[in-house]
Amino acid sequence: QKEVEQNSGPLSVPEGAIASLNCTYSDRVSQSFFWYRQYSGKSPELIMSIYSNGDKEDGRFTAQLNKASQYVSLLIRDSQPSDSATYLCAGTAGNQGGKLIFGQGTELSVKP
Amino acid sequence: GAVVSQHPSWVICKSGTSVKIECRSLDFQATTMFWYRQFPKQSLMLMATSNEGSKATYEQGVEKDKFLINHASLTLSTLTVTSAHPEDSSFYICSATPDISASYEQYFGPGTRLTVT
Repeated sequence: QKEVEQNSGPLSVPEGAIASLNCTYSDRVSQSFFWYRQYSGKSPELIMSIYSNGDKEDGRFTAQLNKASQYVSLLIRDSQPSDSATYLCAGTAGNQGGKLIFGQGTELSVKP
Repeated sequence: GAVVSQHPSWVICKSGTSVKIECRSLDFQATTMFWYRQFPKQSLMLMATSNEGSKATYEQGVEKDKFLINHASLTLSTLTVTSAHPEDSSFYICSATPDISASYEQYFGPGTRLTVT
């Protein structure tokens, strides 16, 4: 099992719809989880962080964490074409000084 | 806040030469910085963890003599690709975690695109 696993996609949604991105993780990953957005040819940009079970909302973005199921998700409401990017899920590797373990990324395409 | 810069943004060099890439945290101090490499259509690959005032920790398979890392201050880390070859052509990205953050959020620089001819 990969330490952080995402569906590579591409995930295609129509403009205005909810995009749902999912991520599972192994026992090696702990505590803190992050969602990054990466546009083609650019570096990743932090969009959400989540540390405890439950939901965390920021604007159109909602991150959900379920530690019992080892599952993290990102919901994007009212998706816009500008949301089209690759979304990277990451978690901290236990006791390794902040090192992050990244999933392979999910490509999201929002169609006008 | 939490801005990280990199210089240069792109560089073309000849095979056998060395290239230095700088990574700076502009509005925060970072004891720890990270260097990644990313090939087209692939995910980020962590190369090394850079700690201010100490030797970098390299990931398995990364040649420490080829990729020299120096973390000279709490706001500056450099990566030098020595004796570059075409297979070193890639997108190099640094990141930094603010010292005051207990949450390990990493903020990425804009990246440096290296082309070795």
